[in-house]
Amino acid sequence: GQNIDQPTEMTATEGAIVQINCTYQTSGFNGLFWYQQHAGEAPTFLSYNVLDGLEEKGRFSSFLSRSKGYSYLLLKELQMKDSASYLCAVTGFQKLVFGTGTRLLVSP
Amino acid sequence: EAGVTQFPSHSVIEKGQTVTLRCDPISGHDNLYWYRRVMGKEIKFLLHFVKESKQDESGMPNNRFLAERTGGTYSTLKVQPAELEDSGVYFCASRTGTGVGNEQFFGPGTRLTVL
Repeated sequence: GQNIDQPTEMTATEGAIVQINCTYQTSGFNGLFWYQQHAGEAPTFLSYNVLDGLEEKGRFSSFLSRSKGYSYLLLKELQMKDSASYLCAVTGFQKLVFGTGTRLLVSP
Repeated sequence: EAGVTQFPSHSVIEKGQTVTLRCDPISGHDNLYWYRRVMGKEIKFLLHFVKESKQDESGMPNNRFLAERTGGTYSTLKVQPAELEDSGVYFCASRTGTGVGNEQFFGPGTRLTVL
């Protein structure tokens, strides 16, 4: 079976750092994606990890440990516009398998 | 470059009616995917086209759903007859190439409400 777990909701303050965790159990693994989705809009690509380690891209970083079935998305210097849902998705055989998403609320 | 577009953005129909959703992928993207998110649940895969061929339709819920991609360009997803549990947001995504690491570009979705 396939199972992807993320916290449902998180809150943080503008300027702070937040880490969103994702654990997964899937049959077949060819990488893990993080997407950002603002309400009523399309999910937009943030990062892709296929090898263990940290990928840094500006204020956003993503980490993967394949042996632990674990990933996190790290957001630094939070801005109000970062309030959104963050979707963890695993790809095995072309299709994406999503978690339920983590709703992040950034307050002033 | 235009992104993935979907039409309509919203559709409200009654149980038993038919609805057709349309997706226009990014030009040149051979891979086209349909996903669905029902209330409170995760986004779930429905099917995958490579050009006009169905590569994987393992996520299609039942035979009331029919997807087509004639000519390998835009795709339609028809629900006939619609049931209450079909309500949700239907997303389309497209991707270029064969590498699994290539990101999927998503459309804004069609919100379907079945009354």
